Amino acid sequence: DTGVSQDPRHKITKRGQNVTFRCDPISEHNRLYWYRQTLGQGPEFLTYFQNEAQLEKSRLLSDRFSAERPKGSFSTLEIQRTEQGDSAMYLCASSPFRDKNSSGNTIYFGEGSWLTVV
Amino acid sequence: SQKIEQNSEALNIQEGKTATLTCNYTNYSPAYLQWYRQDPGRGPVFLLLIRENEKEKRKERLKVTFDTTLKQSLFHITASQPADSATYLCALVYSSASKIIFGSGTRLSIRP
Repeated sequence: DTGVSQDPRHKITKRGQNVTFRCDPISEHNRLYWYRQTLGQGPEFLTYFQNEAQLEKSRLLSDRFSAERPKGSFSTLEIQRTEQGDSAMYLCASSPFRDKNSSGNTIYFGEGSWLTVV
Repeated sequence: SQKIEQNSEALNIQEGKTATLTCNYTNYSPAYLQWYRQDPGRGPVFLLLIRENEKEKRKERLKVTFDTTLKQSLFHITASQPADSATYLCALVYSSASKIIFGSGTRLSIRP
């Protein structure tokens, strides 16, 4: 399978614990995105990377959230001191962004990591 | 801030009919507008993209229109099938260097 891979697929944690999600993008895709989605809503942008540089971070992302992409390949999203409101599906996506003139910016999503905070 | 509006209520139609989904946005027009399909518990899957200077795009039974005057895109599925039942998401891209903003989606059900 050469799609976007996310791990774990499901995580149940107690409030106050830290959790970390991992995303492996499609090989050679230099853009990587994190989104959050709750039931009945569309994906909500969290942050994105181009190679190892974090280019944008949503204002909705509190300081409890941090994302890294240390070598421009896989990425991790960590949530510290989880709260019940963090329960959602966390989606990772990647795209083969080439240059500012390339069109489409089509992104390929993984299957998501479901987080339940109890 | 930019807002994207999609039919909030589920759309139920008879198999074989054409399904039409609407995406409206506020403020300035995006460089590209995309449509994705999402099945329950799965990640979204890209379907079609249309640029701001294009009026219409087709792919098999799918058709997308883009009207920058009305600030609206329509997504059509012709000869609909029960397998087309899913949530369809509209997404806006303002430049190739920006993030993609999603609407809340419209749930489509095709009854046999």
